[in-house]
Amino acid sequence: EVQLVESGGGLVQPGGSLRLSCAPSGFNFNDYAMRWVRQAPGKGLEWVSGVSAGGFSTYYAESVKGRFTISRDTSKNTLYLQMNSLRAEDTAVYFCAKSRGGGRNSGFDHWGQGTLVTVSS
Amino acid sequence: QSVLTQPPSVSGAPGQRVTISCTGSSSNIGATYDVHWYQHLPGTAPKLLIYDNNNRPSGVPDRFSGSKSGTSASLAITGLQAEDEADYYCQSYDSSLSGYVFGTGTKVTVL
Repeated sequence: EVQLVESGGGLVQPGGSLRLSCAPSGFNFNDYAMRWVRQAPGKGLEWVSGVSAGGFSTYYAESVKGRFTISRDTSKNTLYLQMNSLRAEDTAVYFCAKSRGGGRNSGFDHWGQGTLVTVSS
Repeated sequence: QSVLTQPPSVSGAPGQRVTISCTGSSSNIGATYDVHWYQHLPGTAPKLLIYDNNNRPSGVPDRFSGSKSGTSASLAITGLQAEDEADYYCQSYDSSLSGYVFGTGTKVTVL
């Protein structure tokens, strides 16, 4: 059974940093692109970032470009999202999601339960 | 600021059919990028409902179906059940934004 478990969320002050982790199981992590999606309170889903299966290509939404960094560690079988210069508008539940296949046309076939990030003083 | 537009809410009685529209543009749905649909209950992990416009993952009831035409797509739920009450999102890729885009989301209420 595919499982994705996020961790690392919490309360952080504006301008601060946080690193989210996502621990996958039940599939070969190295074979699939991975993505981060967030949902702000009372709002819809918003794609944040993506990384290719090999980790060589990364992609970001304009709202986080230059502040967030996605990465994957195959030795630790973990996906990360380093979030710097956090703003109040980054407050959201962050989900990691697995790409169903390769390429930009693929949907997200498995999701974690999410981890809450709150940016507030 | 979602680039895919959905109605905020739809409702129907048990057993009825409801449809949810997803309107995009020439840089996403109209550019032949596939549309995917997700069901989301607050506090839980979103679930892939339809992939590649009209395909159901294993375990998704055939009451759910998807279609795509031009710059729009739609999700249909037939034989509406109480357990279908949830938020539904369409999703595609946008070449102008060079990233994935979600719809504004639709809340389905079973009367």
